[in-house]
Amino acid sequence: AQSVTQLDSQVPVFEEAPVELRCNYSSSVSVYLFWYVQYPNQGLQLLLKYLSGSTLVESINGFEAEFNKSQTSFHLRKPSVHISDTAEYFCAVTLRPGGTSYGKLTFGQGTILTVHP
Amino acid sequence: SAVISQKPSRDICQRGTSLTIQCQVDSQVTMMFWYRQQPGQSLTLIATANQGSEATYESGFVIDKFPISRPNLTFSTLTVSNMSPEDSSIYLCSVAQGRGYYEQYFGPGTRLTVT
Repeated sequence: AQSVTQLDSQVPVFEEAPVELRCNYSSSVSVYLFWYVQYPNQGLQLLLKYLSGSTLVESINGFEAEFNKSQTSFHLRKPSVHISDTAEYFCAVTLRPGGTSYGKLTFGQGTILTVHP
Repeated sequence: SAVISQKPSRDICQRGTSLTIQCQVDSQVTMMFWYRQQPGQSLTLIATANQGSEATYESGFVIDKFPISRPNLTFSTLTVSNMSPEDSSIYLCSVAQGRGYYEQYFGPGTRLTVT
């Protein structure tokens, strides 16, 4: 079975500072990787995904994540954060097609990013 | 991506009662999922609800406690039965889309408080 570990439960940063939210996964087979964001009192939104191809994936609001197979990591980064980025971020994995667990998402524990002025 | 709505958005229920949560999607989808997010915790998959087949429950979740219906390709319900305070959570439905059906999009959630 796959598992996801988000190494930081809370990350406080100042506005315009860079940030990295760490995510490591464990799986005996190939996976797809996702980052979801949950703004206060809202549902989950898909932020970005890694399926195949380039190991660096980007979102429309300036976040990027890099898939590192050797380190089984999928860390989320942003070079300059805004107050509006304050939210909880979840890393998630699902098995690639063919497994019995296909389609099921396994989530990490979440990282609360708080951006201070 | 699909637009997903849930009803109710929140509810406060008494111990021992049941609540049915509705999930409506604006397009036909094959794969739907129900998740639970307990206070301060991450999301846990309750069951997979594919149209035309019985729901498949994850370890620790049983049909008697969380019966699910999936009457068509745009609608599903999750019932939380014989509730206790431990059932206080946010319940979310999601749908799988995209080539290979690996991208999941979530509804806004139903915040349930059991007193």
